[in-house]
Amino acid sequence: QLQLQESGPGLVKPSETLSLTCTVSGGSISSSTYYWGWIRQPPGKGLEWIGSIDFSGSTSYNPALRGRGTLSVDTSNNKFSLKLSPVAAADTALYYCARRVTLQPFDYWGQGTLVTVSS
Amino acid sequence: DIQMTQSPSTLSASVGDRVTITCRASQSIVNWLAWYQQKPGKAPKLLIYKSSSLKSGVPSRFSGSGSGTEFTLTISSLQSDDFATYYCQQYNSYLWTFGQGTKVDIK
Repeated sequence: QLQLQESGPGLVKPSETLSLTCTVSGGSISSSTYYWGWIRQPPGKGLEWIGSIDFSGSTSYNPALRGRGTLSVDTSNNKFSLKLSPVAAADTALYYCARRVTLQPFDYWGQGTLVTVSS
Repeated sequence: DIQMTQSPSTLSASVGDRVTITCRASQSIVNWLAWYQQKPGKAPKLLIYKSSSLKSGVPSRFSGSGSGTEFTLTISSLQSDDFATYYCQQYNSYLWTFGQGTKVDIK
């Protein structure tokens, strides 16, 4: 059974960098048919897709991030990561990592990790 | 960007009721639409993909329909486990967008 687990600091200061990692277990991150993504959810609000990456490192991002996001993949350790910089209070959210298969929506999700942006 | 609009935002219903949620896209997404269920403190759970395909293990009381810009999620007989928030999501364009959510609560 595929499992995804987010990890990273729960508190980030404004103007600094948010860094999160998603560790994948129960399956390989290197499959050519898999895409790995990040989705966030501000407290009490809806879902926002942040970006996606495949095993080769090919990426796509939500333009609403205004170029602040960077995704990377570490196939040796079956992990992928998100960096968001600089952050502001509006970036406070529950951050989820997830997997999708080609031409399919996200079918496996991590449990989510809350990141608060505050001084 | 493709905008997704769900209606209603909140729906009050009783166990056994037939429930329908609508999702409209600002332009055609063919049938590249998914429905998710989210319970408080939990990650979204995929219910339906490609507008009407039921994910394995999802109860058959859930069904989806539609194409182009108009889509619906129907729960044929609401169960106590179904009280949750439901989101539609389009994956037609590279910029994936979600609807704002429909909360189904107890009448």
